[in-house]
Amino acid sequence: GQNIDQPTEMTATEGAIVQINCTYQTSGFNGLFWYQQHAGEAPTFLSYNVLDGLEEKGRFSSFLSRSKGYSYLLLKELQMKDSASYLCAVRANAGKSTFGDGTTLTVKP
Amino acid sequence: DTEVTQTPKHLVMGMTNKKSLKCEQHMGHRAMYWYKQKAKKPPELMFVYSYEKLSINESVPSRFSPECPNSSLLNLHLHALQPEDSALYLCASSQTPPGGGGDIQYFGAGTRLSVL
Repeated sequence: GQNIDQPTEMTATEGAIVQINCTYQTSGFNGLFWYQQHAGEAPTFLSYNVLDGLEEKGRFSSFLSRSKGYSYLLLKELQMKDSASYLCAVRANAGKSTFGDGTTLTVKP
Repeated sequence: DTEVTQTPKHLVMGMTNKKSLKCEQHMGHRAMYWYKQKAKKPPELMFVYSYEKLSINESVPSRFSPECPNSSLLNLHLHALQPEDSALYLCASSQTPPGGGGDIQYFGAGTRLSVL
């Protein structure tokens, strides 16, 4: 089975940097995804890591350490529209991805 | 076009009704998914179709019946649902089946279902 942990809620200030952590335990790790979901809307893909290291995409970066079972999503230059839920999803060798409970980020002026 | 279209957006049904949710994508994706999402919870996988064949069924009750008429369409037939089945039902598609290198999922906006 899989166990995925994320903080439930985080608050940050507009223009700041925030790091959302995700730790996981799984048999046969085969990739980790980050999705953003605004309230009442569909999840949208943000980033994917399968090898150790940092993947950068504009204001968003994602990091993976497979030996530590750890990933983080880094959001820079926060904007009000970044207020959303951020979901970490872990893919096992069987191919199926399981979502964590998500972290609700609130960006304040 | 990276759009997954779901209809209807909202659905209210009684416990004796039969209804269907529809999902469509024209990205040439070969895998399609149904998820159930309750408020403030993550999406829970229900079914996966890979190359139009059911490849994953997460022990979903038989009152939910999926159908994949062709590579672009995915239906979820509903019958004799319970109030606890009220949730947001999300459809997603990916270029390749789960575990393949192209299994980033693109989600539709969902159908918000209320069972009375």
